Amino acid sequence: GAVVSQHPSRVICKSGTSVKIECRSLDFQATTMFWYRQFPKQSLMLMATSNEGSKATYEQGVEKDKFLINHASLTLSTLTVTSAHPEDSSFYICSALSDRGQYNEQFFGPGTRLTVL
Amino acid sequence: QKEVEQNSGPLSVPEGAIASLNCTYSDRGSQSFFWYRQYSGKSPELIMFIYSNGDKEDGRFTAQLNKASQYVSLLIRDSQPSDSATYLCAAARAGGFKTIFGAGTRLFVKA
Repeated sequence: GAVVSQHPSRVICKSGTSVKIECRSLDFQATTMFWYRQFPKQSLMLMATSNEGSKATYEQGVEKDKFLINHASLTLSTLTVTSAHPEDSSFYICSALSDRGQYNEQFFGPGTRLTVL
Repeated sequence: QKEVEQNSGPLSVPEGAIASLNCTYSDRGSQSFFWYRQYSGKSPELIMFIYSNGDKEDGRFTAQLNKASQYVSLLIRDSQPSDSATYLCAAARAGGFKTIFGAGTRLFVKA
């Protein structure tokens, strides 16, 4: 149980285009999901907390107009990178809090590697 | 001061040895503690969580928590080359959903 999927796993796009990444909890409901970014050989950086049915909470320094988050259902959150630029190239990982978890354990999706040319 | 601190390593141990990974946290309100394993190019995978002082064992893994010292550790017995990865320590407050991650410790298990 507690499986999280992400789609796509890898995307290459041209500078200026928008990219949407989906995060789904497959066997549980997730009121809360998180979006992280990780650059090579660096630690996870929390970008935002996504709550079903409400606006996402962004971390300091993360542009909410550039990284649009929608959490329209209890099993799906999406991250759209708008007008992507090469510096947005990174590994984007979502995680979800299981409704069965008691201790706030997060389960991570497999990640999406974004390359902006 | 970082909220969750880990030695970045790399920590190198021979196959079959015990690997000891350490972590300290600054928020005394933290109630739950987690160890994640992350292979290169992959996303983190939850190995264990602990919320009570003392030891918690699961197979070759033992998590240890000392809230008075604000210290969490992970012991890996009979280390295998497949254990080579980055291990992330994380802490969360009770009722709060935001989990604070350490930067991770890279572990190499030499065959």
